[in-house]
Order: sequence, then structure tokens, then C-alpha cells
Amino acid sequence: QVQLQESGPGLLKPSGTLSLTCGVSGGSINTRNWWTWVRQSPGKGLEWIGETYHTGSTNYNPSLKSRVTISVDKSKNQFFLKLNSVTAADTAVYYCARGHTGGKYFDSWGLGTLVTVSS
Amino acid sequence: DIQMTQSPSSLSASVGDRVTITCRASQGISNFLNWYQQKPGKAPTLLIYDASNLQSGVPSRFSGSGSGTEFTLTISSLQPEDFATYFCQQSHMLPYTFGQGTKLEIK
Repeated sequence: QVQLQESGPGLLKPSGTLSLTCGVSGGSINTRNWWTWVRQSPGKGLEWIGETYHTGSTNYNPSLKSRVTISVDKSKNQFFLKLNSVTAADTAVYYCARGHTGGKYFDSWGLGTLVTVSS
Repeated sequence: DIQMTQSPSSLSASVGDRVTITCRASQGISNFLNWYQQKPGKAPTLLIYDASNLQSGVPSRFSGSGSGTEFTLTISSLQPEDFATYFCQQSHMLPYTFGQGTKLEIK
């Protein structure tokens, strides 16, 4: 059973860069899955941020596309999220998840990590 | 973006009740509709995928139906562990979008 675990700083200052890592265990990242970031805030509910394939292909939410980069390191079985120019509106619990091969539903999730943007 | 609207936003029910939650899409999404359960402080977990397919390990009291723009999640006989928040999600078109959630509370 694949397991995912987010890691990264929990507190950022406005205008900074959010950087999170998702470690994948119990299975390889080099599979026909899309590796995904989702965030959840009280104000906006669940929001799909974007996804990456093991080849490095990516898709992003247009609402965040100018600020977000998702990448993968197959050798470490990890994938990453970078979000630039953060504001208080980016305060949320950030989840990494596995997107199922065919249907793009999320069948494994990390525990989530709270990121707070505050001066 | 495809907007997903759930109703009701909250629901009070008793153990043993049959409960139905509705999710409507702003445009047709075929059967690319998924349901998740989320308990406080936990990540969502997948219940139903592609509108009506039960995820492995999910109790058979959960079922899903619908296609096009209107979908339902039904819990046939509520158990104490089912009190949680439920979300729908469309996987027809990027960006994937979620409903706002339905909070199921004990009456």
C-alpha cells in the first residue's frame, strides 16, 4: 500500500516561496500515476493545485499557474511543490496525493501539512 | 472551470437512517465524478470513483449514481463512523474541481 508524506516549513512570510516535498513509500513513483498537490483552506475548500507524471510532464491550475512549479525526483521517490509570492490567501493545509492512472481520482493521500503565511 | 455544487451543505441524521447527498456540475461531465469522505483533522479518503464504482475496502452501504450533471451519494444505513464531511470532485476536465462539502452530523 503506497504511503505519501508531506514535509516542509509550516510558517512563511508574505512574498516568500512555499516549498514542500512529498515522499512516496511502499511503491515506486515511476508508475502510470499522476502525482498531485491539493490544498484546503476554510475560505476556498479543496483546491487542486496541479500534478506531475514521472516523466516530468505537468498540469497546473490556471488560477495558480503563474506562481507554481511541480517537479519530480524519481531517484528519491519524491515530488515537490513550489509556490512563489505567497500571501495570506495561500494559508492552507497542503496535501499530496496519487492520481489514479485512468480516472484522475485520488486514491492515496498524505496526512497533510499546514502552511501559514504571516508576517 | 467546472463548478461543482453540493446539497445540502449540512445534514443532521440518526444512526440507521438512509441519507442522500447531491452534487451538480455546471456542465456535463459524463461519469467522471468521485466522492470522498473527510473526518476532522484527517485527509480525504476515496469512497466512490467514476460515479458508481466502490473503492476497495469501502463498505457496501455507500453507493453512487448519476451521469451528466447530476449525481448522488447514498448511505443506506448510517453508522456512527459515517459522521463526517463528504466532497464530490469532477475528473472530466482540468482543472479538477471539488464541491464545497456536505457535513453530516448526528441528530
